Amino acid sequence: QQPVQSPQAVILREGEDAVINCSSSKALYSVHWYRQKHGEAPVFLMILLKGGEQKGHDKISASFNEKKQQSSLYLTASQLSYSGTYFCGTDPSGTYKYIFGTGTRLKVLA
Amino acid sequence: EAQVTQNPRYLITVTGKKLTVTCSQNMNHEYMSWYRQDPGLGLRQIYYSMNVEVTDKGDVPEGYKVSRKEKRNFPLILESPSPNQTSLYFCASSPRTSRETQYFGPGTRLLVL
Repeated sequence: QQPVQSPQAVILREGEDAVINCSSSKALYSVHWYRQKHGEAPVFLMILLKGGEQKGHDKISASFNEKKQQSSLYLTASQLSYSGTYFCGTDPSGTYKYIFGTGTRLKVLA
Repeated sequence: EAQVTQNPRYLITVTGKKLTVTCSQNMNHEYMSWYRQDPGLGLRQIYYSMNVEVTDKGDVPEGYKVSRKEKRNFPLILESPSPNQTSLYFCASSPRTSRETQYFGPGTRLLVL
């Protein structure tokens, strides 16, 4: 079942913060976060494997809750380059399949 | 340079005319996958391959075929394309499993008339 992301879309001014959520009805084995700019391929941001894990680099970080049913991506002091569509993704039940979340469109304005 | 390449990048064809989209990676990755991306539906997995001669269906395999005869190549075959296969297609690879970072090709935009 496809993870549900919220919000579907968000508009920010440069320097503002944003949180994107990824929720599943079942525990996830792992969560990946990707960013895709219009017309381009998705680009990997980070992966979380353990419940309670938090990870980040620069001003983008993510968390995975203890039950492994929700992950959040945190964008702080947003920059114009952060604009794009963000996807979470997972391998359901530890299989070799892969499912992306519903996506969140983020637009950062000057 | 480590990369995933796809060809062609753009293709316009007619219903029923067989076509192949090639995908190649130079990273010695075992796992390869095909996705299609449609407005409002996001990215959906078509087929994946865990290694040479090992492939399996993703969520939307109908109308597609794949083969994995060499580790580096994973072509996507549309035997009889239909307009509902008009989409943006991405190939991706990762070292061993879908749990690891996937590296995406640049995409192939297909229009079936």
